[in-house]
Amino acid sequence: AAGVIQSPRHLIKEKRETATLKCYPIPRHDTVYWYQQGPGQDPQFLISFYEKMQSDKGSIPDRFSAQQFSDYHSELNMSSLELGDSALYFCASSLGGQGGKLFFGSGTQLSVL
Amino acid sequence: AQTVTQSQPEMSVQEAETVTLSCTYDTSESDYYLFWYKQPPSRQMILVIRQEAYKQQNATENRFSVNFQKAAKSFSLKISDSQLGDAAMYFCAYRPTDYGGATNKLIFGTGTLLAVQP
Repeated sequence: AAGVIQSPRHLIKEKRETATLKCYPIPRHDTVYWYQQGPGQDPQFLISFYEKMQSDKGSIPDRFSAQQFSDYHSELNMSSLELGDSALYFCASSLGGQGGKLFFGSGTQLSVL
Repeated sequence: AQTVTQSQPEMSVQEAETVTLSCTYDTSESDYYLFWYKQPPSRQMILVIRQEAYKQQNATENRFSVNFQKAAKSFSLKISDSQLGDAAMYFCAYRPTDYGGATNKLIFGTGTLLAVQP
């Protein structure tokens, strides 16, 4: 079965650079979520999209933006990167009526040097 | 706002023994989902078990079972016959019922790191 695909798996950037993370949800899933997990921390919700519209917003810095495209893939854009942005970024997708399950991708490990 | 609390930062169990991980949550909703996720060193987020709040019967998945106490807002995970591969970080998580994508994000607890001793 198709899973949530995230790219790249690993990303190394310098401070003040820009990064773009991509997420391809499971086909026909209508909602995409982005989470940030720092070292030794629990995942923190950043933002979600339902049917290509932003549906909820969490602790996402103003330097970050995200969108969901017509093919339902989503991108998280991160500008003016800081050392503290180093984390594992998860994307998850879900489909209403599937018993609440979120399906997670393998994550993108971002390291800011 | 909903919150999830895991009061045990670390736990240890002997191989083949049973261990219980605790989780409490706070919500004013009557219908919701509760989950346990496992995160091994690979950091992949793996769904272990799911409980629907309107179901009184405790969920079971092979060696994993839960003790769901809705009135007490408690949701513990029992791992029987522990195996070395069970060693991981375990996150308890809460999610409101599906409402067409609006405000139904997953809310995680802070996790319990489980070590399995051979």
